[in-house]
Amino acid sequence: DSGVTQTPKHLITATGQRVTLRCSPRSGDLSVYWYQQSLDQGLQFLIQYYNGEERAKGNILERFSAQQFPDLHSELNLSSLELGDSALYFCASAYRGKGGTDTQYFGPGTRLTVL
Amino acid sequence: GQNIDQPTEMTATEGAIVQINCTYQTSGFNGLFWYQQHAGEAPTFLSYNVLDGLEEKGRFSSFLSRSKGYSYLLLKELQMKDSASYLCAVTPYYKLIFGAGTRLAVHP
Repeated sequence: DSGVTQTPKHLITATGQRVTLRCSPRSGDLSVYWYQQSLDQGLQFLIQYYNGEERAKGNILERFSAQQFPDLHSELNLSSLELGDSALYFCASAYRGKGGTDTQYFGPGTRLTVL
Repeated sequence: GQNIDQPTEMTATEGAIVQINCTYQTSGFNGLFWYQQHAGEAPTFLSYNVLDGLEEKGRFSSFLSRSKGYSYLLLKELQMKDSASYLCAVTPYYKLIFGAGTRLAVHP
């Protein structure tokens, strides 16, 4: 158990809908990262927040958005869902999130299925 | 640009030693991580290299050559539970850029 929690564990929805994925980082960690992993694909970095502010952006679609709240939990919002958005979405947390010096610890993931 | 290469699949025998290679080309480099991921589960941290050389941690060791853009993960005394994907990840600044992973199958 990494100490990072994600809810829900599974989510099934229809095309065109909007969903929210939630992540709580490990106690004391200030950075939250979001990743997408499609079937048989590698982990794709989406976005990073540090202490409430966006720090880095990866291949995140405009239909997707995220935020980090004062209590440091984070939410990833996915809208106008398409079949291709079906994937495992992981959240990871790190203490400072500065460059390569902080190990990222991953949550158990949310499996999103878009029908 | 960013490019990380790993073999797609490897097989090995229980009790043996296996070496998983990773080559990378990235703009910016702060360190290299190895993660283990069982199917459908979260990646779990194995090792971190920032300086050239070998880092040993029990049955797992990781090597880095920054000048060659090369790393390897060495797994000794393989066990069936080591069957998993092994992900090489490079850290240019704030991001972790993952390779596609190497799927390792350990057989009796």
